[in-house]
Amino acid sequence: QSALTQPASVSGSPGQSITISCTGTSSDVGAYIYVSWYQQHPDKAPKLMIYEVANRPSGVPDRFSGSKSGNTASLTISGLQAEDEADYYCTSYSATDTPVVFGGGTKLTVL
Amino acid sequence: QVQLQESGPGLVKPSETLSLTCTVSGGSISGHHWSWIRQPPGKGLEWIGYFYYGVTTKYSPSLKSRVTISVDTSKNQFSLKLTSVTAADTAVFYCARGYDSIDYWGQGTLVTVSS
Repeated sequence: QSALTQPASVSGSPGQSITISCTGTSSDVGAYIYVSWYQQHPDKAPKLMIYEVANRPSGVPDRFSGSKSGNTASLTISGLQAEDEADYYCTSYSATDTPVVFGGGTKLTVL
Repeated sequence: QVQLQESGPGLVKPSETLSLTCTVSGGSISGHHWSWIRQPPGKGLEWIGYFYYGVTTKYSPSLKSRVTISVDTSKNQFSLKLTSVTAADTAVFYCARGYDSIDYWGQGTLVTVSS
């Protein structure tokens, strides 16, 4: 069982927007800005898409955005494209004996 | 451009020790956190541990009794040892730079635990 809770799957049509949630606790997501999101295509290493809740690394399209409210962080992808179909994972710093906690992952299907 | 490359046996027998090395090129190990992360086939990512050279090393509590991460700065490499492996340790193992936001990943290496 993952420390952070994500929906197992989401889907959307090209051009639409989708949001993936990531729910933690007051010891991780709710307490820190250190929430990141990763995109993983099949048989590939994860790729950093969002760091510190809402920051995009260089080269990540601005269609990807992040936010946080309370113990829940969210990744929004607007203007869905076929290439966005992948698994998405959230992570957070945690003030426990496990300093890095992961979500279980969300499979995004572009219809 | 920083690049990471995992290397080591792809098959380990149950009860033996899994050993992997990560070679870093294009940048120094010093001044950054470095992590090992694994992903069982068809499952999610699991953090194993990280280090900041000369400062700290932290391990997942669930693996702490079996894991050791070591560093060889002369070769710009770091290593993972996981003892007493079982089939449940079968996974793709990634080395990576960072821990709360990982900007560089190795390609990953599949390690299968089987007799």
